[in-house]
Amino acid sequence: AQTVTQSQPEMSVQEAETVTLSCTYDTSENNYYLFWYKQPPSRQMILVIRQEAYKQQNATENRFSVNFQKAAKSFSLKISDSQLGDTAMYFCASPTYNTDKLIFGTGTRLQVFP
Amino acid sequence: GAGVSQSPSNKVTEKGKDVELRCDPISGHTALYWYRQSLGQGLEFLIYFQGNSAPDKSGLPSDRFSAERTGGSVSTLTIQRTQQEDSAVYLCASSLSGAPGYTFGSGTRLTVV
Repeated sequence: AQTVTQSQPEMSVQEAETVTLSCTYDTSENNYYLFWYKQPPSRQMILVIRQEAYKQQNATENRFSVNFQKAAKSFSLKISDSQLGDTAMYFCASPTYNTDKLIFGTGTRLQVFP
Repeated sequence: GAGVSQSPSNKVTEKGKDVELRCDPISGHTALYWYRQSLGQGLEFLIYFQGNSAPDKSGLPSDRFSAERTGGSVSTLTIQRTQQEDSAVYLCASSLSGAPGYTFGSGTRLTVV
């Protein structure tokens, strides 16, 4: 079965510092997207960033960037200049074979301290 | 609508009762997904609708769970004879076919007492 693994149940970081959340995945797809979603206490899942596997360049969205290592099937999220509003659960997701259905990791709870 | 709408936002029900959860996807989105998120856990896939194709029901945990999607738009997730272990947040998402990523609703928090 395809899996997505987030090995850090909880992380904490001080405001303005940088933090990296880890994710590994297992897919038999050749071309696919990978996703990071944020879930604040409001429980609304918000797309943070996505990476197309065919692109060598790591995706960047403002303070959020990824380190995508295709051969290692690793997809980590780096948050720079952390802000209090970044406090949330973060979920990594990858597709299942030949469908648009996503499998999610168990999440990393990130706490940003002032 | 502008986003995915789910109702009710919160539902408390007695064990053994049936409940219906509603999802109104983004207009024009052909794919609709239901996930379950138990307290402090990740998202567990339940069911997936894509256009007029037969739904992928492979994630439904028991025959007490069913879902339908009428007219390719609104979907209803029904849980019959609810049990305490059904308590969770039920999340709905929609997407355009072939487009990467979903847009999620805010979820329904179901509490079975």
